[in-house]
Amino acid sequence: KQEVTQIPAALSVPEGENLVLNCSFTDSAIYNLQWFRQDPGKGLTSLLLIQSSQREQTSGRLNASLDKSSGRSTLYIAASQPGDSATYLCAVRDSGNTPLVFGKGTRLSVIA
Amino acid sequence: DARVTQTPRDKVTEMGQEVTMRCQPILGHNTVFWYRQTMMQGLELLAYFRNRAPLDDSGMPKDRFSAEMPDATLATLKIQPSEPRDSAVYFCASAGPSLRQFFGPGTRLTVL
Repeated sequence: KQEVTQIPAALSVPEGENLVLNCSFTDSAIYNLQWFRQDPGKGLTSLLLIQSSQREQTSGRLNASLDKSSGRSTLYIAASQPGDSATYLCAVRDSGNTPLVFGKGTRLSVIA
Repeated sequence: DARVTQTPRDKVTEMGQEVTMRCQPILGHNTVFWYRQTMMQGLELLAYFRNRAPLDDSGMPKDRFSAEMPDATLATLKIQPSEPRDSAVYFCASAGPSLRQFFGPGTRLTVL
C-alpha cells in the first residue's frame, strides 16, 4: 500500500530564502505526482504535476523534481515571500485507475 | 478560467437532517472525486467516479452516505441522517485525461 510522507510537518523561514520541501513515497512504481498548496480555510490549488517519465517541472519560482528510484520528490521555492505561507501537500497516483495518495503536508511560514 | 464549483459553501444543520452537497466538475473532465478534510484525520477520499460510473466508494460510511453523478456536469454527495461526527469540509475534485486533479472550494458542514 502506497504511503506518502512529508517532512518536516512545519517550517518557518525568513523572507527571501530559497527553500526545499520534501516528499517521500514507499512504492516507486508511480503514474504521476502532484504538488498542491492549501491556504487556511480554502481548497487545494494544484501547483505542479510530474508524470512518471519526467524528472522535473517548473512554474515561476517553483520547481518540483522527481526521483522514482529513491521514492522522493522535492519542491523548491526560490526567493520565498510572505504570500508563499500555506500548507504544501504532495500526492502520488499509482496508476491511471487509482486515486491520489496524499501526504499530511508541510505548513510553511515565511516571515517578513 | 475553468474551475470546479461546489454548493453550498457553508451548511449548518441539526443532527438527523439530510444534507446534499453538489459539485460541478470542470467541463470535459471525466473523473470526479469526493474528499473529506478534518483537523484530526486530514484529507480522506470518500468516493470517485469515472465517466459517471463509481470506481471506488470504500471510503464512505455506506449506511448514511451516498454519492451519485446524475449527469456529466453534476456530482452529488448526500448524508442521511447526518451526525455531529460528519462535521468537516467536503471537497470535490475533477481530472481530465492527464489526471491532473483540480479541487473545488469545499463545503464546510457543521452538524449540531
